[in-house]
Amino acid sequence: SYELTQPLSVSVALGQTARITCEGKNIGSKNAHWYQQKPGQAPVLVIYRDNNRPSGIPERFSGSNSGNTATLTLSRAQAGDEADYYCQVWDSSTFVFGSGTKVTVL
Amino acid sequence: QVQLVQSGAEVKRPGASVKVSCKASGYTFTTYAIHWVRQAPGQGLEWMGWVNAGNGDTTYSQKFQGRVTMTRDTSASTVYMELSSLRSEDTALYYCGRDPDEYLDPWGQGTLVTVSS
Repeated sequence: SYELTQPLSVSVALGQTARITCEGKNIGSKNAHWYQQKPGQAPVLVIYRDNNRPSGIPERFSGSNSGNTATLTLSRAQAGDEADYYCQVWDSSTFVFGSGTKVTVL
Repeated sequence: QVQLVQSGAEVKRPGASVKVSCKASGYTFTTYAIHWVRQAPGQGLEWMGWVNAGNGDTTYSQKFQGRVTMTRDTSASTVYMELSSLRSEDTALYYCGRDPDEYLDPWGQGTLVTVSS
């Protein structure tokens, strides 16, 4: 079965840029999607189809996907961006989620 | 606005079954599939399966095959997820989510299912 690997944690200084990776075999040939989950809340879609932002998601969130790595980039990090982030792809009629990355804003 | 509202928390004994509902509003119910995802305490997201709200077709994760049943009631714009033969490891938050195009947006608020003797 298809697997997605994310770093367990990423730290970023306030106002700086964080990059969260999601590795999977030839993930660049698939559409990658990203969710943000804050403590005690349901996940929220922040990027869909590699690099598209839903309405209401700040431009500070962006995405890319090529080769074996999809990346979520969080620019000008704010304290409110502290959360768990999950990548997800569609593979063989099933959803596959990454293991999740905890982002800490210092 | 598009919204998914789930049923309330459940406490079940090992071996029992639980049925969680997910009521959709703000869009044409039969146009989109609904997926179910669970999250054990302190753990990541685990995909369980999906139901085509239009024709009722289902696809389940192999892990839950034989134990999960997903159905829909078009008259009530509601999708159901029933999990049987519950064990302590099934204690988790269960989420539904609408599938616009192989991703989930929005998600329901989650339903806590606790399995305890």
